[in-house]
Amino acid sequence: NAGVTQTPKFRVLKTGQSMTLLCAQDMNHEYMYWYRQDPGMGLRLIHYSVGEGTTAKGEVPDGYNVSRLKKQNFLLGLESAAPSQTSVYFCASSLTPGESGNTIYFGEGSWLTVV
Amino acid sequence: AQSVTQLGSHVSVSEGALVLLRCNYSSSVPPYLFWYVQYPNQGLQLLLKYTSAATLVKGINGFEAEFKKSETSFHLTKPSAHMSDAAEYFCAVSEGFNKFYFGSGTKLNVKP
Repeated sequence: NAGVTQTPKFRVLKTGQSMTLLCAQDMNHEYMYWYRQDPGMGLRLIHYSVGEGTTAKGEVPDGYNVSRLKKQNFLLGLESAAPSQTSVYFCASSLTPGESGNTIYFGEGSWLTVV
Repeated sequence: AQSVTQLGSHVSVSEGALVLLRCNYSSSVPPYLFWYVQYPNQGLQLLLKYTSAATLVKGINGFEAEFKKSETSFHLTKPSAHMSDAAEYFCAVSEGFNKFYFGSGTKLNVKP
């Protein structure tokens, strides 16, 4: 049971480079999320998706884009990486929040360093 | 708006001592409440969740939490801390607004 899988796990980028983080889930969840985690700031929601073909902004969306072309995949893109985007990124998925106590499941994280 | 407050960003206890991690939430309706644990360099794992079936919820690794509506609290406890409990703990809530709301986390340090 793979759950939520993120690739790559580690990446070093130069300022201005672009990259894509891939998230895949095998639980047939409608909702998928991208968070970033920085020391002392907890989890901050970047973007989320409530279904295939739909995306929405979270609390810190600037500098990121996302796509949900297939239900099981949620891609996070950095068009022009900046040092401020050095962080740990977590993908997550769930059934509809607030219904029947549905749980959110997390991937193992992707460590991104922008130099 | 929904909010989750975790009192104390760092908590330190001795091995064998009681663990108490505090979580308060704001909600106009009965919410679903969760505790997650994050070990170093790993993702978040579900410890336990409250879904209104019982106010005292038991989770993995000997942890439990009690939902107190009058206090809008969902504190996490463990009677006897173990070194392996050292991790960061997150309280979370969902109440049907298409999102989960997370507290800022509490790092638990367990001293030998």
